[in-house]
Amino acid sequence: QQQVKQSPQSLIVQKGGISIINCAYENTAFDYFPWYQQFPGKGPALLIAIRPDVSEKKEGRFTISFNKSAKQFSLHIMDSQPGDSATYFCAASGYAGGTSYGKLTFGQGTILTVHP
Amino acid sequence: SAVISQKPSRDICQRGTSLTIQCQVDSQVTMMFWYRQQPGQSLTLIATANQGSEATYESGFVIDKFPISRPNLTFSTLTVSNMSPEDSSIYLCSGGQGAGYTFGSGTRLTVV
Repeated sequence: QQQVKQSPQSLIVQKGGISIINCAYENTAFDYFPWYQQFPGKGPALLIAIRPDVSEKKEGRFTISFNKSAKQFSLHIMDSQPGDSATYFCAASGYAGGTSYGKLTFGQGTILTVHP
Repeated sequence: SAVISQKPSRDICQRGTSLTIQCQVDSQVTMMFWYRQQPGQSLTLIATANQGSEATYESGFVIDKFPISRPNLTFSTLTVSNMSPEDSSIYLCSGGQGAGYTFGSGTRLTVV
């Protein structure tokens, strides 16, 4: 019940194309859904996050779409660039009192390659 | 967002020994967490580092194997004790408050 399932495992996109990564969750107590970007040898960096009270959030070229009834959310990267090549993780958390939203359950990760 | 420094960045250790990983945050944060990431895999939460009290461990992780200290609001350590090759992994700390947690660059541990 604590799992977050992410797909695809890997994705190859041409420069300028749209990258789409999907995640699904089971635990209805989750109410915070961040996406992290990780480059080799680095820790994950927070990219964008959404709460279930909105269906979409956009920050620059990155958009999260959220479907509460289906318990699914996705990351869209518009105009994908070679510099976007990295591993992307979706995650989920629920408010847990003193621990706030820091206890994250991560998806399996998607390796994105953007060809020039 | 908080900036997190971890050290060492990598180490190669003999089985049966212990390694202590340090995590320093550039500002006071309420919560700190320790995660493990197998190379090429996802992140798994080890424990929540509580300031002034014992750490809270996730299922499958125990204090004797992964003792954690949190002496103040900017610092925490994770010790990997009595290491075996199965402990070879990347260990990351995370810190923040509210929503929006940042990660250190990780400690890549190889046990031989």
